[in-house]
Amino acid sequence: EAGVAQSPRYKIIEKRQSVAFWCNPISGHATLYWYQQILGQGPKLLIQFQNNGVVDDSQLPKDRFSAERLKGVDSTLKIQPAKLEDSAVYLCASRSGELFFGEGSRLTVL
Amino acid sequence: DAKTTQPTSMDCAEGRAANLPCNHSTISGNEYVYWYRQIHSQGPQYIIHGLKNNETNEMASLIITEDRKSSTLILPHATLRDTAVYYCIVRVAGNTDKLIFGTGTRLQVFP
Repeated sequence: EAGVAQSPRYKIIEKRQSVAFWCNPISGHATLYWYQQILGQGPKLLIQFQNNGVVDDSQLPKDRFSAERLKGVDSTLKIQPAKLEDSAVYLCASRSGELFFGEGSRLTVL
Repeated sequence: DAKTTQPTSMDCAEGRAANLPCNHSTISGNEYVYWYRQIHSQGPQYIIHGLKNNETNEMASLIITEDRKSSTLILPHATLRDTAVYYCIVRVAGNTDKLIFGTGTRLQVFP
């Protein structure tokens, strides 16, 4: 069974630029999550989708972060404009029972 | 906020059992205890979960105290590949639930 796919694995941008991350969950998984993990900390939930609807986005900084899950499958997370403190690993996870995580996208903002 | 407390770090000799404790004194009756681990540069990986009975699978054993206020994850024969950050999480199982991670325990297995 294929796992959760994420791209790109690494991205370096300058502050005030924009960036987008893509996630392809495990086939058939209705629930999808985006987490932000800053170095030395545990993952922090940004947004949770159930199919193509948002279940929880209370921790998403909506002035600069946006996420969508069109057609209830793939998802994209966008940051515009990026700040230095956005440097982190962005993890996508999907669930049918237990959560399965992708390897993450590491963002460095200079 | 995370509802669990774990030691920041632990060491274990290769081949020995690694016992990772977790306190969850405010756990509710319908909340499960979950354990995930995160090896360097990878996403978290599910290990095991339980409600009130002890559980065992091919990766680990989970011992939950009778009052459910604490638990211990046991890796019976630790290997160098078990070096990782281990997260203990309490969670209400359901379609819209989510995992709230704390800072976890960094386990270092040494030769």
